[in-house]
Amino acid sequence: NAGVTQTPKFRILKIGQSMTLQCAQDMNHNYMYWYRQDPGMGLKLIYYSVGAGITDKGEVPNGYNVSRSTTEDFPLRLELAAPSQTSVYFCASSSDRGGYEQYFGPGTRLTVT
Amino acid sequence: DAKTTQPPSMDCAEGRAANLPCNHSTISGNEYVYWYRQIHSQGPQYIIHGLKNNETNEMASLIITEDRKSSTLILPHATLRDTAVYYCIVRVYNQGGKLIFGQGTELSVKP
Repeated sequence: NAGVTQTPKFRILKIGQSMTLQCAQDMNHNYMYWYRQDPGMGLKLIYYSVGAGITDKGEVPNGYNVSRSTTEDFPLRLELAAPSQTSVYFCASSSDRGGYEQYFGPGTRLTVT
Repeated sequence: DAKTTQPPSMDCAEGRAANLPCNHSTISGNEYVYWYRQIHSQGPQYIIHGLKNNETNEMASLIITEDRKSSTLILPHATLRDTAVYYCIVRVYNQGGKLIFGQGTELSVKP
């Protein structure tokens, strides 16, 4: 299993541009999550999904959108990028059984200038 | 979810046990204690979780006090590869998407 994969690894955006961060998992997990991590800080939850077609906001959803059309994929859309969105973005997934432990991807490092 | 308090940093000698404390004095009866770690900007890695009994797996042991207001993560024989930020998180067991990360403890394992 590849686990949780994220693309791209790095990206530089200009202010006002848009982009989609891709996340995929091959563990057949129903739950998927997007977090951001600013330098020296803990992770903050942006959005999460408990299954295809179901999404909900986390702590810091403003400036982002998500969709979940399949179990495997959970893309994160940034519209009108701002410098405050410079961060490392982590996607994670978990089963809806057992310990609900989350498995994280390697992250996408985004810089907005 | 209950808030947790952890020391910002700790040192440990290689080969010795690392004991990482966490205070969660406002924990509710249906909240579990989870531990994750993050090695140098990689994605966080799940370590262990528990409700009220002590737990052990291949990575670590988790000791939860009887009143459940605090816990300790124990890495029995720390190695240099255990240098990481360790996060203690309290959350309702079946509540999807609700991992709230604090600042964590930066553990440095020294030779």
